[in-house]
Amino acid sequence: DSGVTQTPKHLITATGQRVTLRCSPRSGDLSVYWYQQSLDQGLQFLIQYYNGEERAKGNILERFSAQQFPDLHSELNLSSLELGDSALYFCASSVEASGRNGELFFGEGSRLTVL
Amino acid sequence: AQTVTQSQPEMSVQEAETVTLSCTYDTSENNYYLFWYKQPPSRQMILVIRQEAYKQQNATENRFSVNFQKAAKSFSLKISDSQLGDTAMYFCAFMKRGGGADGLTFGKGTHLIIQP
Repeated sequence: DSGVTQTPKHLITATGQRVTLRCSPRSGDLSVYWYQQSLDQGLQFLIQYYNGEERAKGNILERFSAQQFPDLHSELNLSSLELGDSALYFCASSVEASGRNGELFFGEGSRLTVL
Repeated sequence: AQTVTQSQPEMSVQEAETVTLSCTYDTSENNYYLFWYKQPPSRQMILVIRQEAYKQQNATENRFSVNFQKAAKSFSLKISDSQLGDTAMYFCAFMKRGGGADGLTFGKGTHLIIQP
């Protein structure tokens, strides 16, 4: 158990809908990362928050947004969903902005299926 | 931007054998970390081993060791005395020291199957 909690574990929705994925980092970790894992694109970095502020942005679509709240949990919002958004979405956390020695702790992921 | 290449989509070995997974990367950075992550069927991403680029000594963790060749930009993972529980996807990953816009950059993965 990494200590990172993601909900929901599975989610099935329709095209055009909006969903919210939630992540609670390990106790004491200030940094949260979001990754998307799909069969064709592999693991892609989406976005990073550190202590409530956006720190780095990767291949995140404009239809996607994220935030980190004062209690340090984070939410990833996916809107106007398309079939291609079906993927496993991982959250990871670390103590520091760049990870303690680079180490990130991953949650179990949220499996999103768009029908 | 960094790229990570894993040229072996799938490998299969017998239990107790030694297996080596290949990884090459491309970067203009001098200070960075390299990782091997394991993703079993449970899909949890588990850190196997970490290497800091400024350290010449190869990292080891029990049955897992790496061969880090900085000049060649190569970072292979050796699993000794392989066990059935080692069956998983293995991802090589790169992170610039200090993080940055790319976060962790992953390779496409190698599916390792340990046969009984």
